[in-house]
Amino acid sequence: GENVGLHLPTLSVQEGDNSIINCAYSNSASDYFIWYKQESGKGPQFIIDIRSNMDKRQGQRVTVLLNKTVKHLSLQIAATQPGDSAVYFCAESASGGSYIPTFGRGTSLIVHP
Amino acid sequence: SAVISQKPSRDICQRGTSLTIQCQVDSQVTMMFWYRQQPGQSLTLIATANQGSEATYESGFVIDKFPISRPNLTFSTLTVSNMSPEDSSIYLCSVCPGLGYEQYFGPGTRLTVT
Repeated sequence: GENVGLHLPTLSVQEGDNSIINCAYSNSASDYFIWYKQESGKGPQFIIDIRSNMDKRQGQRVTVLLNKTVKHLSLQIAATQPGDSAVYFCAESASGGSYIPTFGRGTSLIVHP
Repeated sequence: SAVISQKPSRDICQRGTSLTIQCQVDSQVTMMFWYRQQPGQSLTLIATANQGSEATYESGFVIDKFPISRPNLTFSTLTVSNMSPEDSSIYLCSVCPGLGYEQYFGPGTRLTVT
C-alpha cells in the first residue's frame, strides 16, 4: 500500500562534493535495478541500471553499487552540480516475475552552490 | 528511448466530476503504464495497459474508478472518475520500449480536486 504522511529523506551537499544516495530493497528475487532522477515538475528520468550479476556499474559521473548480501543499492554522483538537485528513486524488478519495477521511497538531493 | 507527452499538464477539478488524461508516445510500444504519485511520495502503479486487451489493475485500484483505454500502440487515456480530494495527485504514464526493463515517463498531470 502507499505510505501516508512520510517525508522524503534529504541529502544536502555542496557543489563539487561527491554524493551517495542509498536504497534498501526488499525482494530477494529482484535481479534488475534502476535509478531514476525526478526534477521538480517533471517525470522520472532513467539514469543508470544494473543487473544482479554485477556489483558495480559506471556511467558518466554516476556509479551504482549493488550489495546483494544485504539487499542494498547506492548511487554515487561525482562532482555534484546544482543541476543534480532532484529526487532520486531506486526501482527493483524480478525477471522471473512480472518485471514491472517497484519504486523505492526516494531521496531528495539538494546541491548548494 | 521514447518521447512521451501528456494532456493536460495540470487541472483543478471539482469533486464528483471526472477527468480524462491523455498519453501520447512518439513510437509504437506494447507496454504502457499508469502511475500515481502523491506529493512528496514515491510512484504507485495503477495499472498496466496493453493494446488490444483490458488493462490490468494493481491492488487498490479498480476499473470503475480509473477506466483506461488503449486504442493503439502510441496512445492511452486514464480517466479519474467521481473525483474526491484524495485523488489529488500527479498522474504519470510510462512506457517500456522493450530494449530493457527501463521505463520512460511522461511529464505528468498534476490534478487538484477541490
